[in-house]
Amino acid sequence: DAGVTQSPTHLIKTRGQQVTLRCSPKSGHDTVSWYQQALGQGPQFIFQYYEEEERQRGNFPDRFSGHQFPNYSSELNVNALLLGDSALYLCASSSVGGKSYNEQFFGPGTRLTVL
Amino acid sequence: QKEVEQDPGPLSVPEGAIVSLNCTYSNSAFQYFMWYRQYSRKGPELLMYTYSSGNKEDGRFTAQVDKSSKYISLFIRDSQPSDSATYLCATLKAAGNKLTFGGGTRVLVKP
Repeated sequence: DAGVTQSPTHLIKTRGQQVTLRCSPKSGHDTVSWYQQALGQGPQFIFQYYEEEERQRGNFPDRFSGHQFPNYSSELNVNALLLGDSALYLCASSSVGGKSYNEQFFGPGTRLTVL
Repeated sequence: QKEVEQDPGPLSVPEGAIVSLNCTYSNSAFQYFMWYRQYSRKGPELLMYTYSSGNKEDGRFTAQVDKSSKYISLFIRDSQPSDSATYLCATLKAAGNKLTFGGGTRVLVKP
């Protein structure tokens, strides 16, 4: 059973460029959340997707956008990259399932460096 | 002020010692409390979660939550070099979607 997978592993971009990161959730999961983790910091919630809709959003500018596909996989897009966008981008999947607590399983992350 | 505060460490202990980690939080709406372990250049891995106040034990790990003081703890008994990692506390509101993390504590267990 494959866990959460993310691609690419590493990415180097220059300021002003655009980037797309991809995530495939764990088998059986229907919800995908994205987090940004700066070096030496804890992850910060960007947004969550369920049923192809953005369900909740954290304190991130509109340069950060996402999409969820019918197969539950997801993309994170960042436009007009800034140096401060350099971070590990984590995808987490979970299943709504009617439970009050839904464990989020994290992928290995995509390390983005903006030069 | 951050909603969840955690001492960044590093915390260095000899093999076999008890590792004691803690976090404080400010939002009374948080109902679920998690501890994640993150090895270098890897994604976080859930160790334990606790609902509301109380203790929970799983093998060498014990999690404690005191909602009256907004304080959460993780204890690791008989620590091993393989426990060397960054430990992240996280919180979640009831029926919530967004995990709120502390900044993480780096732990080094020396053989």
